[in-house]
Amino acid sequence: AQKVTQAQTEISVVEKEDVTLDCVYETRDTTYYLFWYKQPPSGELVFLIRRNSFDEQNEISGRYSWNFQKSTSSFNFTITASQVVDSAVYFCALSEFNNNDMRFGAGTRLTVKP
Amino acid sequence: GAGVSQTPSNKVTEKGKYVELRCDPISGHTALYWYRQSLGQGPEFLIYFQGTGAADDSGLPNDRFFAVRPEGSVSTLKIQRTERGDSAVYLCASSLTGVFGETQYFGPGTRLLVL
Repeated sequence: AQKVTQAQTEISVVEKEDVTLDCVYETRDTTYYLFWYKQPPSGELVFLIRRNSFDEQNEISGRYSWNFQKSTSSFNFTITASQVVDSAVYFCALSEFNNNDMRFGAGTRLTVKP
Repeated sequence: GAGVSQTPSNKVTEKGKYVELRCDPISGHTALYWYRQSLGQGPEFLIYFQGTGAADDSGLPNDRFFAVRPEGSVSTLKIQRTERGDSAVYLCASSLTGVFGETQYFGPGTRLLVL
Protein backbone atom coordinates (compact mmCIF):
# COMPACT_ATOMS: atom_id res chain seq x y z
CA ALA A 1 0.00 0.00 0.00
CA GLN A 2 1.10 3.52 -0.67
CA LYS A 3 1.57 5.95 2.15
CA VAL A 4 2.94 9.45 2.37
CA THR A 5 3.76 11.00 5.73
CA GLN A 6 4.27 14.68 6.33
CA ALA A 7 4.95 14.73 10.02
CA GLN A 8 5.05 18.51 10.34
CA THR A 9 1.48 19.74 10.53
CA GLU A 10 2.37 23.40 10.86
CA ILE A 11 5.58 25.40 10.64
CA SER A 12 5.99 29.07 11.36
CA VAL A 13 9.11 31.02 10.41
CA VAL A 14 10.17 34.61 10.09
CA GLU A 15 10.86 36.01 6.67
CA LYS A 16 14.33 35.23 5.29
CA GLU A 17 14.71 32.10 7.38
CA ASP A 18 15.35 28.80 5.62
CA VAL A 19 12.78 26.08 6.16
CA THR A 20 12.65 22.37 5.31
CA LEU A 21 9.42 20.46 4.83
CA ASP A 22 9.74 16.73 5.38
CA CYS A 23 8.15 13.98 3.34
CA VAL A 24 8.53 10.26 3.97
CA TYR A 25 6.88 7.69 1.74
CA GLU A 26 6.23 3.96 1.71
CA THR A 27 5.97 1.80 -1.38
CA ARG A 28 6.84 -1.71 -2.45
CA ASP A 29 7.31 -0.59 -6.04
CA THR A 30 10.71 0.20 -7.48
CA THR A 31 9.12 2.46 -10.09
CA TYR A 32 7.28 5.48 -8.83
CA TYR A 33 7.06 9.26 -9.00
CA LEU A 34 7.09 11.82 -6.23
CA PHE A 35 5.55 15.26 -6.40
CA TRP A 36 5.30 18.45 -4.41
CA TYR A 37 2.34 20.79 -4.72
CA LYS A 38 1.65 24.16 -3.11
CA GLN A 39 -1.86 25.14 -2.03
CA PRO A 40 -2.12 28.87 -1.30
CA PRO A 41 -5.15 30.34 0.47
CA SER A 42 -6.95 30.57 -2.88
CA GLY A 43 -7.18 26.78 -2.76
CA GLU A 44 -5.75 25.80 -6.12
CA LEU A 45 -3.00 23.17 -6.03
CA VAL A 46 0.08 24.45 -7.83
CA PHE A 47 2.57 21.94 -9.19
CA LEU A 48 6.15 22.46 -7.99
CA ILE A 49 8.21 19.42 -8.92
CA ARG A 50 8.11 15.83 -10.10
CA ARG A 51 10.84 13.28 -9.51
CA ASN A 52 11.01 9.66 -10.67
CA SER A 53 12.42 6.88 -8.52
CA PHE A 54 15.45 6.37 -10.74
CA ASP A 55 16.66 9.93 -10.48
CA GLU A 56 18.12 10.73 -7.08
CA GLN A 57 19.78 13.94 -8.15
CA ASN A 58 18.86 16.83 -5.97
CA GLU A 59 17.21 19.75 -7.70
CA ILE A 60 17.36 23.46 -7.17
CA SER A 61 14.98 26.00 -8.65
CA GLY A 62 15.59 29.49 -7.43
CA ARG A 63 14.94 29.53 -3.68
CA TYR A 64 13.48 26.01 -3.79
CA SER A 65 15.48 22.81 -3.50
CA TRP A 66 14.55 19.18 -3.13
CA ASN A 67 16.50 16.33 -1.54
CA PHE A 68 15.48 12.84 -2.66
CA GLN A 69 16.98 9.95 -0.71
CA LYS A 70 15.77 6.46 -1.53
CA SER A 71 17.77 4.98 1.35
CA THR A 72 15.53 6.79 3.81
CA SER A 73 12.43 7.00 1.55
CA SER A 74 12.39 10.74 1.90
CA PHE A 75 11.79 13.60 -0.48
CA ASN A 76 12.32 16.78 1.49
CA PHE A 77 11.69 20.30 0.29
CA THR A 78 13.71 23.33 1.38
CA ILE A 79 12.83 26.97 0.88
CA THR A 80 15.78 29.29 1.25
CA ALA A 81 15.28 32.87 2.41
CA SER A 82 11.56 32.39 2.87
CA GLN A 83 9.12 35.12 1.90
CA VAL A 84 5.61 35.95 3.05
CA VAL A 85 4.29 34.77 -0.33
CA ASP A 86 5.57 31.28 0.48
CA SER A 87 2.83 30.96 3.10
CA ALA A 88 0.66 28.05 1.99
CA VAL A 89 -0.05 24.38 2.59
CA TYR A 90 2.48 22.14 0.88
CA PHE A 91 1.65 18.61 -0.15
CA CYS A 92 3.94 15.74 -1.02
CA ALA A 93 2.43 13.02 -3.22
CA LEU A 94 3.36 9.57 -4.53
CA SER A 95 2.32 7.87 -7.74
CA GLU A 96 3.08 4.18 -8.19
CA PHE A 97 3.51 2.39 -11.50
CA ASN A 98 0.18 1.10 -12.82
CA ASN A 99 -1.78 3.01 -10.20
CA ASN A 100 -3.89 5.83 -11.51
CA ASP A 101 -4.29 7.55 -8.20
CA MET A 102 -1.83 9.96 -6.69
CA ARG A 103 -1.53 9.49 -2.92
CA PHE A 104 -1.11 12.72 -1.01
CA GLY A 105 0.26 13.39 2.44
CA ALA A 106 -1.79 15.41 4.90
CA GLY A 107 0.15 18.55 4.09
CA THR A 108 2.31 20.99 6.02
CA ARG A 109 0.97 24.49 6.64
CA LEU A 110 3.81 26.98 6.34
CA THR A 111 3.38 30.47 7.71
CA VAL A 112 6.05 33.02 6.94
CA LYS A 113 5.81 36.12 9.12
CA PRO A 114 7.20 39.47 8.04
CA GLY B 1 -3.90 29.15 -22.12
CA ALA B 2 -6.66 28.50 -19.66
CA GLY B 3 -6.15 26.13 -16.79
CA VAL B 4 -8.60 23.68 -15.31
CA SER B 5 -11.86 25.35 -14.40
CA GLN B 6 -14.54 24.14 -12.03
CA THR B 7 -18.07 25.32 -11.40
CA PRO B 8 -19.63 26.24 -9.13
CA SER B 9 -16.90 27.47 -6.83
CA ASN B 10 -19.22 26.98 -3.87
CA LYS B 11 -22.31 24.87 -3.45
CA VAL B 12 -24.58 24.71 -0.43
CA THR B 13 -27.24 22.04 -0.39
CA GLU B 14 -29.49 20.24 2.02
CA LYS B 15 -29.09 16.68 3.13
CA GLY B 16 -30.75 14.31 0.71
CA LYS B 17 -30.48 16.57 -2.32
CA TYR B 18 -28.74 15.84 -5.61
CA VAL B 19 -25.76 17.91 -6.78
CA GLU B 20 -23.67 18.16 -9.92
CA LEU B 21 -20.15 19.53 -10.01
CA ARG B 22 -18.55 20.44 -13.30
CA CYS B 23 -14.94 20.31 -14.46
CA ASP B 24 -13.49 21.75 -17.65
CA PRO B 25 -9.95 20.40 -18.18
CA ILE B 26 -7.06 22.02 -19.94
CA SER B 27 -7.71 21.95 -23.68
CA GLY B 28 -6.17 18.88 -25.29
CA HIS B 29 -5.76 16.93 -22.06
CA THR B 30 -7.19 13.44 -22.44
CA ALA B 31 -6.85 12.39 -18.81
CA LEU B 32 -9.11 13.79 -16.10
CA TYR B 33 -9.15 13.07 -12.38
CA TRP B 34 -11.49 13.86 -9.51
CA TYR B 35 -10.27 14.15 -5.94
CA ARG B 36 -11.96 15.02 -2.66
CA GLN B 37 -10.23 17.08 -0.02
CA SER B 38 -11.57 17.16 3.51
CA LEU B 39 -10.57 19.88 5.94
CA GLY B 40 -6.97 19.53 7.04
CA GLN B 41 -6.28 16.60 4.75
CA GLY B 42 -4.63 16.00 1.43
CA PRO B 43 -6.70 15.27 -1.66
CA GLU B 44 -8.06 11.73 -2.00
CA PHE B 45 -8.52 10.10 -5.36
CA LEU B 46 -12.05 9.42 -6.56
CA ILE B 47 -12.03 8.57 -10.27
CA TYR B 48 -9.88 8.76 -13.38
CA PHE B 49 -11.06 9.21 -16.98
CA GLN B 50 -9.07 8.39 -20.06
CA GLY B 51 -11.03 10.02 -22.85
CA THR B 52 -14.71 9.30 -22.40
CA GLY B 53 -14.36 6.20 -20.26
CA ALA B 54 -13.84 5.85 -16.55
CA ALA B 55 -10.58 3.94 -16.47
CA ASP B 56 -10.51 3.70 -12.69
CA ASP B 57 -13.37 4.49 -10.32
CA SER B 58 -11.94 2.65 -7.34
CA GLY B 59 -11.90 5.78 -5.19
CA LEU B 60 -15.61 6.51 -5.34
CA PRO B 61 -16.83 6.00 -1.77
CA ASN B 62 -20.20 4.45 -2.61
CA ASP B 63 -22.85 4.22 -5.30
CA ARG B 64 -24.23 7.67 -4.51
CA PHE B 65 -21.24 9.07 -6.39
CA PHE B 66 -21.07 8.92 -10.15
CA ALA B 67 -19.11 10.81 -12.80
CA VAL B 68 -19.37 11.17 -16.55
CA ARG B 69 -17.32 12.61 -19.35
CA PRO B 70 -19.49 12.02 -22.42
CA GLU B 71 -17.42 13.83 -25.04
CA GLY B 72 -13.99 13.33 -23.56
CA SER B 73 -13.66 16.89 -22.35
CA VAL B 74 -15.95 18.33 -19.68
CA SER B 75 -16.73 16.05 -16.77
CA THR B 76 -19.55 16.12 -14.24
CA LEU B 77 -19.37 14.59 -10.80
CA LYS B 78 -22.81 13.68 -9.54
CA ILE B 79 -23.74 13.03 -5.94
CA GLN B 80 -27.15 11.61 -5.07
CA ARG B 81 -28.86 11.80 -1.70
CA THR B 82 -26.14 13.99 -0.26
CA GLU B 83 -25.04 13.47 3.33
CA ARG B 84 -23.34 15.88 5.71
CA GLY B 85 -20.20 13.77 5.44
CA ASP B 86 -19.98 14.63 1.75
CA SER B 87 -19.03 18.19 2.69
CA ALA B 88 -15.55 18.79 1.29
CA VAL B 89 -13.68 20.49 -1.52
CA TYR B 90 -13.95 18.54 -4.75
CA LEU B 91 -10.90 18.99 -6.93
CA CYS B 92 -10.53 18.20 -10.59
CA ALA B 93 -7.21 17.70 -12.35
CA SER B 94 -6.15 16.96 -15.89
CA SER B 95 -3.03 15.69 -17.59
CA LEU B 96 -2.01 15.49 -21.21
CA THR B 97 -2.17 11.75 -21.85
CA GLY B 98 -2.63 10.00 -18.51
CA VAL B 99 0.64 8.11 -18.83
CA PHE B 100 2.13 6.94 -15.55
CA GLY B 101 3.79 9.69 -13.55
CA GLU B 102 2.52 12.53 -15.68
CA THR B 103 2.00 15.83 -13.90
CA GLN B 104 -1.60 16.56 -13.01
CA TYR B 105 -2.81 20.16 -13.12
CA PHE B 106 -5.53 21.07 -10.67
CA GLY B 107 -8.51 23.37 -10.79
CA PRO B 108 -9.58 25.69 -7.96
CA GLY B 109 -12.09 23.19 -6.62
CA THR B 110 -15.76 23.26 -5.68
CA ARG B 111 -16.46 23.70 -2.00
CA LEU B 112 -19.53 21.61 -1.17
CA LEU B 113 -21.41 22.14 2.06
CA VAL B 114 -24.24 19.80 2.95
CA LEU B 115 -26.49 21.15 5.67
